[in-house]
Amino acid sequence: GEDVEQSLFLSVREGDSSVINCTYTDSSSTYLYWYKQEPGAGLQLLTYIFSNMDMKQDQRLTVLLNKKDKHLSLRIADTQTGDSAIYFCAEIPDSGGYQKVTFGIGTKLQVIP
Amino acid sequence: DTAVSQTPKYLVTQMGNDKSIKCEQNLGHDTMYWYKQDSKKFLKIMFSYNNKELIINETVPNRFSPKSPDKAHLNLHINSLELGDSAVYFCASSQVRLAGAGELFFGEGSRLTVL
Repeated sequence: GEDVEQSLFLSVREGDSSVINCTYTDSSSTYLYWYKQEPGAGLQLLTYIFSNMDMKQDQRLTVLLNKKDKHLSLRIADTQTGDSAIYFCAEIPDSGGYQKVTFGIGTKLQVIP
Repeated sequence: DTAVSQTPKYLVTQMGNDKSIKCEQNLGHDTMYWYKQDSKKFLKIMFSYNNKELIINETVPNRFSPKSPDKAHLNLHINSLELGDSAVYFCASSQVRLAGAGELFFGEGSRLTVL
């Protein structure tokens, strides 16, 4: 948490785009991740980006990475009520060997019908 | 088929008691974890085991003792429970790779309430 920062809350209307932002501190991170946690459930991997990429698109999801500013964002197009969840940004400082994933504090996305 | 399952899902107990949470994964992964999520949703790693060997132990009081009888199971025993132990405890597993993005698979969580 202390090395990965996110805003706590985002509210959008159904059909609008959502943008969730994250800043991280470890420039050695090889992979950066977005996990989704629905109420009463564990986290599920949503998408990830390799550090030598600056954008990755997967259907309604777009991940943007600005390595210079250590800034990661997740854009959800045409946000649906089923997208309401907590979204965690995460990094692995050292992808070789054992994993020690550092999670952000999570951004709660509320989608208003 | 549940990939990572933990029991119990809910646990309410008195201060000072000892309790255990069990976790099993059927994914064939070689690494398992315990995470603690507090009331503000902050998720912090506690322990990690690789092939039954402890590899991460993050400044956790020694009242918490993980045990891995085999690589598919990782249990968490907590002695002398305190109010501050109230949280949701998540078990997770992954396949450690030397290269390539790894993914953590999480259980549904065990909500512990200490009264």
